[in-house]
Amino acid sequence: DTGVSQNPRHKITKRGQNVTFRCDPISEHNRLYWYRQTLGQGPEFLTYFQNEAQLEKSRLLSDRFSAERPKGSFSTLEIQRTEQGDSAMYLCASSLPGPSPEQYFGPGTRLTVT
Amino acid sequence: SQQGEEDPQALSIQEGENATMNCSYKTSINNLQWYRQNSGRGLVHLILIRSNEREKHSGRLRVTLDTSKKSSSLLITASRAADTASYFCATDLYNFNKFYFGSGTKLNVKP
Repeated sequence: DTGVSQNPRHKITKRGQNVTFRCDPISEHNRLYWYRQTLGQGPEFLTYFQNEAQLEKSRLLSDRFSAERPKGSFSTLEIQRTEQGDSAMYLCASSLPGPSPEQYFGPGTRLTVT
Repeated sequence: SQQGEEDPQALSIQEGENATMNCSYKTSINNLQWYRQNSGRGLVHLILIRSNEREKHSGRLRVTLDTSKKSSSLLITASRAADTASYFCATDLYNFNKFYFGSGTKLNVKP
């Protein structure tokens, strides 16, 4: 499968714990995006990378969230001290460079904070 | 708040009928994209229309864009049960590379 992959697919954690998600983009895509989606809503932009550089970060993203993309390949999204409000589907997408490119989405990681 | 908003929120039609959903947005855009999301699955890109285009076709899909009204419509002709999904428009701000998704139109096509 040469699409975008995300791991784990599901994560249940207790409030206050840290969690980390991984996204592997399509290999030739140098752009990578993270979104959060709650039930009945569309994806909400969190951050995006071009190669290893994090170029944009939503103001909605608290300092408990951090994302990295070492070497411009896979990316990780870490949430520290999770809260129940962090429960959501976390989506990763990748794309080629250029203005407003088509994004290819992964299946998502569903986080449940108890 | 989200840049794009779809209307209606939900739509139920019979197989074979056409489905039209609309998207309105607030500021100037570079382009507008439509995505489909099946229940419990990832989003799939359907079609992109640039700000200097007015209409675009792809198979059974027809998208229009009216930049003066800041709105777009997605028409699915001869719908099939497999078209049952949520449909989202996504817009970008001119010269930016982050995308704003609306809350979607949930389409149900009854066989």
